[in-house]
Amino acid sequence: QKEVEQDPGPLSVPEGAIVSLNCTYSNSAFQYFMWYRQYSRKGPELLMYTYSSGNKEDGRFTAQVDKSSKYISLFIRDSQPSDSATYLCAMSAGQAGTALIFGKGTTLSVSS
Amino acid sequence: GAVVSQHPSWVICKSGTSVKIECRSLDFQATTMFWYRQFPKQSLMLMATSNEGSKATYEQGVEKDKFLINHASLTLSTLTVTSAHPEDSSFYICSARSGTGGGEQYFGPGTRLTVT
Repeated sequence: QKEVEQDPGPLSVPEGAIVSLNCTYSNSAFQYFMWYRQYSRKGPELLMYTYSSGNKEDGRFTAQVDKSSKYISLFIRDSQPSDSATYLCAMSAGQAGTALIFGKGTTLSVSS
Repeated sequence: GAVVSQHPSWVICKSGTSVKIECRSLDFQATTMFWYRQFPKQSLMLMATSNEGSKATYEQGVEKDKFLINHASLTLSTLTVTSAHPEDSSFYICSARSGTGGGEQYFGPGTRLTVT
């Protein structure tokens, strides 16, 4: 079993739809959870950062972490064509110098 | 937000030559920097972790003599691909993490290396 599992998609939705992206993980030591957005041929951009369980909202984006289920989600409301990108979940146990463990990324396409 | 730059953004070199890629944290001090490699439609593959002033820690399967990493200051790390071959052609991305906080990493824009 891989440490982080993420459905690669592709996921295609119409403009204005609510998008749900998810990752599951196996390492209970993970405490820090991130979502990155990566456009083609660009470096990943940090979208959301969450510590431990709970929800975090930033504009159209909501991140949820359920440590009991080892499951994290990213919701995008009122999706826009500009949201079309690959979304990567990442997590770490948080000790200094600890590398992030990434999911494979989900490719999202929002059509106008 | 924190900004990380990479230079060059794109480089073409001939087989057998060496290429140096720079990664800089522009507005924070990065105690730790990471180097990743990404093939088309694949996720990021961690190559090595470097802490300022100490030797880099390489992931299994990554040749340390081929991919030389130097983290000489809190704002600069370099990756040198030595004796490059066509199979080294890839997208190389660095990320930087400050000494505070729990784990955010900020990524550079990436460097596309093409070896002919």
